[in-house]
Amino acid sequence: SQTIHQWPATLVQPVGSPLSLECTVEGTSNPNLYWYRQAAGRGLQLLFYSVGIGQISSEVPQNLSASRPQDRQFILSSKKLLLSDSGFYLCASTPWPQRKAFFGQGTRLTVV
Amino acid sequence: EDKVVQSPLSLVVHEGDTVTLNCSYEVTNFRSLLWYKQEKKAPTFLFMLTSSGIEKKSGRLSSILDKKELFSILNITATQTGDSAIYLCAINNAGNMLTFGGGTRLMVKP
Repeated sequence: SQTIHQWPATLVQPVGSPLSLECTVEGTSNPNLYWYRQAAGRGLQLLFYSVGIGQISSEVPQNLSASRPQDRQFILSSKKLLLSDSGFYLCASTPWPQRKAFFGQGTRLTVV
Repeated sequence: EDKVVQSPLSLVVHEGDTVTLNCSYEVTNFRSLLWYKQEKKAPTFLFMLTSSGIEKKSGRLSSILDKKELFSILNITATQTGDSAIYLCAINNAGNMLTFGGGTRLMVKP
C-alpha cells in the first residue's frame, strides 16, 4: 500500500529565512502529487500540483515554489519566508488506479 | 474546471444531535467522491463513493451519492464531542485530479 513521508512535523522559522519541505511517496509510481496549505479552522488551499517529473502547476501566486525532481519526490520551497506563510502544509497523492487520496502527516510552519 | 461546494461552512450542535453535511460538485469526468475527517493533523479517510444510491455506513456515520443531482451528504447520528472536526469533501476525476471543497467545521458541545 502507499505511504507518504512528509517532514518535518513542526517548524519555526524567522521571517526572511528560506524554506524546504520534502514529501516522498512509497508503494506507487507516477502519482499525481499536491501541496496544500491550511489556515486554522479552514479548508485546504491548493498551492501546487504535479502530474509528473518536472511538471508543476501553480494555483495561487505567492512566495512559494515547488519542484518534482524525481517521480516520488515533491518539494515545497521559499527563498524568503513571510509571516503570512505560516500555516499547516499537507502533501497529498492520488496514485493511479486508486480512486482516493493519501496524505502525509503535515508540517505546521510558524514564521516568527 | 471541477468545483466542489460544501455547506454549511460551520455548524454547532449538542451531543446526541444528528447532523447532515452537504457536498455539491461539478466535474467533467467523475471517478469518485471522497469524504475525510480532519482534526488537528492530516485528514483521515471516511468514505469513497462511486455509485449513486448506495449508502456507505461506518458506525454512526453514513454517506450517499446522487450522481444525477451532483451531490453527496454525510450524516452523523448521535453526535459525540469526538466528532468535532473539519469534514472535507473531494472529487477525483478521470484525469486522476483531486478537487476539495472548502470544508465544514463541526463543533459538538457536551
